[in-house]
Order: sequence, then structure tokens, then C-alpha cells
Amino acid sequence: ETGVTQSPTHLIKTRGQQVTLRCSSQSGHNTVSWYQQALGQGPQFIFQYYREEENGRGNFPPRFSGLQFPNYSSELNVNALELDDSALYLCASSLESGELDTQYFGPGTRLTVL
Amino acid sequence: KQEVTQIPAALSVPEGENLVLNCSFTDSAIYNLQWFRQDPGKGLTSLLLIQSSQREQTSGRLNASLDKSSGRSTLYIAASQPGDSATYLCGLNSGYSTLTFGKGTMLLVSP
Repeated sequence: ETGVTQSPTHLIKTRGQQVTLRCSSQSGHNTVSWYQQALGQGPQFIFQYYREEENGRGNFPPRFSGLQFPNYSSELNVNALELDDSALYLCASSLESGELDTQYFGPGTRLTVL
Repeated sequence: KQEVTQIPAALSVPEGENLVLNCSFTDSAIYNLQWFRQDPGKGLTSLLLIQSSQREQTSGRLNASLDKSSGRSTLYIAASQPGDSATYLCGLNSGYSTLTFGKGTMLLVSP
């Protein structure tokens, strides 16, 4: 157990809908990163939040957005869902946004878009 | 842009065998490399982290090595067990603690 929790565990949506995924970071960690993992692929970096500010973004469109709260928990929002958004969404927390910091992953949220 | 390749994509071995999983990368400007284990439909469990200044790390039956100059890392698993069956991912940290991953190696250890 890493101490990183995610909710919900599973989610089914239809194309065009919007979804919000949640992540609670490990105690004391101020950095949260989000990843998308399609079936049979490695995780792809979506974005990172450090002390409530976006601190880097991968190659994902603006309809993927996020938020980090004062307690360092985080949300991932996806608008106008597409079939290809079906994936396992992972969040990871780290103590700081530094080169040497280990990332601790949560169990993920499985999103299915019909 | 960092690209990570893991070979083989899948591996099936009998219990008790020693095995090596490979991870190669294109950009040697990394801060650290982590090996993870992922069970089907689950999150990632960190196994070993090697800082860029280190050559290897060991934890129990696992040993990971890093050769930045050749852009390679290996994960050695000694005396494999059925419980080792999972997908193994390597992730490279090239800055800001964000990771670039390979597609993973799916390992099956049969009794």
C-alpha cells in the first residue's frame, strides 16, 4: 500500500459526457502527477500539479484539465469524452517535484467510454 | 524526446528459473530509473529505484542495473516464483519527477 487513493474504482460513460476522477496523495506529498494507460501500453504522462499549480503537461488536448486543492488532493477532469479515452487513469504523488523524488502510484480508475 | 523500449514483450518460464528483463532508452540525460510491477487492472508497485549516479540496486531476489552510456537497464529476478507473474515496467525520470514508460514485459511463471 502506497497511501495514494483514487476514486471511483470503475466508471462507465458515453461519448460526449464529462468525467471527474479524484486522487488523494500520500501524507506529506505536495506533488501529484496523472497518467493515462491504454490497454497493453505503458502509462502516458498527462500533467503534474505542484503546490496547486500546473507544473508540466504531456501531449494531451485541453479537454483534459486538472486541479489540486490546498490539502494536495487532486482532480482530473475530461470533457467531451471520446472512445479512445477508455483507459486506466493513474495518479502518483511525490514528496516534491524534484529530480530525485520517487513516485508512489495509486490503484487507478478504470474508465470505459461507450 | 525520450523513447523507452522493453524486451521481451512477453516471457514464460518455469518456476525456479533466473531471468532478465531489458529496458533501453534513447536519451541518457536521466535523473533516475524505476522498475515497477503491475498486476492485471491494478496500479503500479515500485520495486527498485536507481539514481543516475548508481550502477545497481538490490532488493531480495531482485537486482536492477543501469548503464547510462549504453542507454540500458536490466532487471534480474532470481529463483522465479508463480507470484512473480505480472507485467514489469521501467520508468525514466528526465525531470520534475515525471516518468516516461516502456510498454512493459508480461511475465508468466508456471508452477
